[in-house]
Amino acid sequence: EAAVTQSPRNKVAVTGGKVTLSCNQTNNHNNMYWYRQDTGHGLRLIHYSYGAGSTEKGDIPDGYKASRPSQENFSLILELATPSQTSVYFCASGVLRVSYEQYFGPGTRLTVL
Amino acid sequence: SQLAEENPWALSVHEGESVTVNCSYKTSITALQWYRQKSGEGPAQLILIRSNEREKRNGRLRATLDTSSQSSSLSITATRCEDTAVYFCASYQGGRALIFGTGTTVSVSP
Repeated sequence: EAAVTQSPRNKVAVTGGKVTLSCNQTNNHNNMYWYRQDTGHGLRLIHYSYGAGSTEKGDIPDGYKASRPSQENFSLILELATPSQTSVYFCASGVLRVSYEQYFGPGTRLTVL
Repeated sequence: SQLAEENPWALSVHEGESVTVNCSYKTSITALQWYRQKSGEGPAQLILIRSNEREKRNGRLRATLDTSSQSSSLSITATRCEDTAVYFCASYQGGRALIFGTGTTVSVSP
């Protein structure tokens, strides 16, 4: 069974609305990550976490907040969604200093109208 | 700015042919990985090659690493239609997360 799951898989939001993307992992990894994927840019790191209660800014954090209430769950929050945030969002977990690998969820396609 | 870059941007082959994707990176690395992303899915690791290794094989996959030129290649032999995907190289430089390239789209037709 899938070790990293995301919900919802698809979301349509209105400009100015609040959007919450959820991620759950059963890998028992300390580290979790949120990326967005756009054509021509590959995967860009938005926020990451080293464990429950911690969140850190990635390379493109503006307009996004993150929350890590437990080892298993990591949320990405768009308080005031804008059309430029239309993208596919991926969550991942990993223990890079041990295995160098990140395990990805299936992605959430977000459209902001 | 991208710290890893694949080339070419896209490739098309017929089933049974071989295909090679190249990657260049800009700083020293601890390990380099190749990921595959099929349509509608998240990326999944194919092969990992550490900085002290020159070649790694996994079934029909072969990865090479040249740390002097900061480059890597991924070759797939006897391609199948299900190999159609975007292929990324990703480097771990001891930091907080993997650094991904922009990807090469490989299309395998019957």
